[in-house]
Amino acid sequence: SSELTQEPTVSVALGQTVKITCQGDILRIYYASWFHQKPGQAPVLVIYGKNHRPSGIPDRFSGSTSGNTTSLTITGAQAEDEADYYCYCRGSSGNNWVFGGGTKLTVL
Amino acid sequence: QVQLVQSGAEVKKPGASVKVSCKASGYTFTNHWMHWVRQAPGHGLEWMALINPIGSVTHYAQKFQGRVTVTRDTSTNTDYMEVVSLRSEDTAVYYCARDFSMEEADRSGWWLDPWGQGTLVTVSS
Repeated sequence: SSELTQEPTVSVALGQTVKITCQGDILRIYYASWFHQKPGQAPVLVIYGKNHRPSGIPDRFSGSTSGNTTSLTITGAQAEDEADYYCYCRGSSGNNWVFGGGTKLTVL
Repeated sequence: QVQLVQSGAEVKKPGASVKVSCKASGYTFTNHWMHWVRQAPGHGLEWMALINPIGSVTHYAQKFQGRVTVTRDTSTNTDYMEVVSLRSEDTAVYYCARDFSMEEADRSGWWLDPWGQGTLVTVSS
């Protein structure tokens, strides 16, 4: 089983706020980062560190961590945010890295 | 701009080997580790391996130990990932991705940016 657990599917109405979560004990020690991936494309970084967005990522994306859970929040979801979202972190052995199982976000 | 350009799609028979390349440009190659990640059809991302900036240190996910080798050629700014003894379950898109890390508020974090475009490896008899 993966060290990082995500809910498989999440849906949100257009323009509403949605939170995608990632759980794992390793998140008490390290920050996770978040990627989104659209069909047929490579993953794209959306959040890293405590709560940083790469250039080009809209400010409706934000990140937070509490205990063993890290969250990606999209405030005012847009149709183009429909994608698979993955969290990523260093693993517990110290020389491995791990992804969450991914969350498919549907914008209704 | 920063770019990772991977080699083209491959079709291999079970038991064969494949070597995927990842050519970096737009940044100082020897300043960053590189990771390899794969994604089987309809599945999530799976971390495989990484290599250090000068190509002297590698780490592998346990399931790939002994079957995957990553190497680096600093003269051409190119990383390579070889998988031997291919089986049908190795059919996947393979990605390279540049590593970043930082410390903030007494906690470390890692991320990957950018990613290569991906290389589809199909294993079929």
